[in-house]
Amino acid sequence: DIQMTQSPSSLSASVGDRVTITCRASQSISSYLNWYQQKPGKAPKLLIYAASSLQSGVPSRFSGSGSGTDFTLTISSLQPEDFATYYCQQSYSTLRVTFGGGTKVEIK
Amino acid sequence: EVQLVESGGGLVQPGGSLRLSCAASGFTFSSYEMNWVRQAPGKGLEWVSYISSSGSTIYYADSVKGRFTISRDNAKNSLYLQMNSLRAEDTAVYYCARVRRRGYVGFMDYWGQGTLVTVSS
Repeated sequence: DIQMTQSPSSLSASVGDRVTITCRASQSISSYLNWYQQKPGKAPKLLIYAASSLQSGVPSRFSGSGSGTDFTLTISSLQPEDFATYYCQQSYSTLRVTFGGGTKVEIK
Repeated sequence: EVQLVESGGGLVQPGGSLRLSCAASGFTFSSYEMNWVRQAPGKGLEWVSYISSSGSTIYYADSVKGRFTISRDNAKNSLYLQMNSLRAEDTAVYYCARVRRRGYVGFMDYWGQGTLVTVSS
């Protein structure tokens, strides 16, 4: 299986901060990488697909980059509603879709 | 409006069975691949199973292979997960999610609200 490793596992940040979350794949996955946001008690929400494409309706402060094994989710200016857990997910292997362990973004 | 509504969760004893359903509306269900994804309490997301739009292609996570069966009824706009030989480690919120593709890249653009399965004696 393709392993997805996110870092950090948690971070504390203030409103207005620039936040970067990293996701590394155990093998090259081209651009088959998606990002989701999950708030407590809610279903995950798609933010970014195919590494860098912004899902419709998602604010432009969210962006994704990378290809191969290293990927980044960036929030350019953190807003109060962005405090949540973020997951990367590879879809290179349809037989074995895998998620990263998650990054919890907390208020400093 | 796209909607996915799961049902069928509940408390079941180890070794028991449960059938989850996911009712889809607001889109042409028969045109979309679907996934089941679960989340154990306080843990991350774990993909469980995949089914193609026609139902002809199916995949399972190793953790559920041989115990769980995914199926769909396109005439009823419904997705199912039959879970047998349940274990304590199957305790989780189970989500159904629609798969969309851009080229070959698949992603889950709509998710249901989830249904809780608790396996305990």
